[in-house]
Amino acid sequence: EPEVTQTPSHQVTQMGQEVILRCVPISNHLYFYWYRQILGQKVEFLVSFYNNEISEKSEIFDDQFSVERPDGSNFTLKIRSTKLEDSAMYFCASTKDVDNEQFFGPGTRLTVL
Amino acid sequence: KQEVTQIPAALSVPEGENLVLNCSFTDSAIYNLQWFRQDPGKGLTSLLLIQSSQREQTSGRLNASLDKSSGRSTLYIAASQPGDSATYLCAVPGFGNTGKLIFGQGTTLQVKP
Repeated sequence: EPEVTQTPSHQVTQMGQEVILRCVPISNHLYFYWYRQILGQKVEFLVSFYNNEISEKSEIFDDQFSVERPDGSNFTLKIRSTKLEDSAMYFCASTKDVDNEQFFGPGTRLTVL
Repeated sequence: KQEVTQIPAALSVPEGENLVLNCSFTDSAIYNLQWFRQDPGKGLTSLLLIQSSQREQTSGRLNASLDKSSGRSTLYIAASQPGDSATYLCAVPGFGNTGKLIFGQGTTLQVKP
């Protein structure tokens, strides 16, 4: 059964460093999302992406964040200069259409020291 | 602004019990609601998607109901098993047509053998 995959599963970085989190959405899906979950807190929406552009971003998604779909399969989230408060689990999700079921990847645990 | 609340925050039941998890949302103008399961430190597994035109959706021992007018959904788990122990999250689409999901804080279920 098709699934969303994410790499790496765990990333440790120093404050101020750039990180790139990678996702491979389900192949026939058209809408892509990043969410994050700080330990013990709710899952929060970061950004949605459709037709090779951002369709919506949250207040969290500031100038330090960017997303890209560099080829037909990968979907990446870049954090330019990480902060301690960026430590969280980051989930990628995809769906065929906005009113369809969303499928989530296993997540990348980002730890900023 | 859409807000999602789940009650109770935690639940502990003996194996074999039937149980109900509750989800409420403040804005009833939704087109669907999705229930997820999250195991500790893991990703989100989609359990059920219930469209606004439906009142119920069933998958195995799980049954989800949706009452848009009252802003409520319930997830019924029949004959609970220790393997059902996890956190259960409900999510609804946020304002706008991008498909972003707004999550509740979850109900953590423990089923004791």
